[in-house]
Amino acid sequence: GAGVSQSPSNKVTEKGKDVELRCDPISGHTALYWYRQRLGQGLEFLIYFQGNSAPDKSGLPSDRFSAERTGESVSTLTIQRTQQEDSAVYLCASSLVSIADSSYNEQFFGPGTRLTVL
Amino acid sequence: AQKITQTQPGMFVQEKEAVTLDCTYDTSDPSYGLFWYKQPSSGEMIFLIYQGSYDQQNATEGRYSLNFQKARKSANLVISASQLGDSAMYFCAMREGDSNYKLTFGKGTLLTVNP
Repeated sequence: GAGVSQSPSNKVTEKGKDVELRCDPISGHTALYWYRQRLGQGLEFLIYFQGNSAPDKSGLPSDRFSAERTGESVSTLTIQRTQQEDSAVYLCASSLVSIADSSYNEQFFGPGTRLTVL
Repeated sequence: AQKITQTQPGMFVQEKEAVTLDCTYDTSDPSYGLFWYKQPSSGEMIFLIYQGSYDQQNATEGRYSLNFQKARKSANLVISASQLGDSAMYFCAMREGDSNYKLTFGKGTLLTVNP
């Protein structure tokens, strides 16, 4: 079946412009996550959606970053007034949610959007 | 303190040999899960193996096994019979608590398999 898809795959923008990154999760996955990966680094958690609500926004680095999810499906991550330090790969993941204790929910990752801020 | 520590920035292994990638973690939550992901140069994150904090046995998935030493808070990945296609970045990650699905990642280890 179809995996997680993200668009665009690459985005080059000028400092100060706004950008929107899109994520289409696997159909039926109620949980959705955004991560950021700077060059040569591990992934940093940004935000988590359960359905259309975001119970954990703790990783958003500043108020320039926001995200929404509609219809328990597509999510968009918006970065306003981009800065050069926002340059990174932005990865989206989705997972099923299980209510059983100590079960795990494998997160399936998309290919990422490489954002370059000039 | 770092939640996930991967002390090996890079590792080299000969094809067909086994290799161990180190991961130590820090949590006070009794319920947690440990994950290993592979990231080839193409960039996608590929799930390899999972170990739950209450699991009695070490996890195994094909050529991958997880050497889970709970008292030492280590969860090393062992890859047996290395293949050239195993060359990639490998990330250790942790989920803390039963209801918190956020993953915290280490900085990764770049594995190079030599022919």
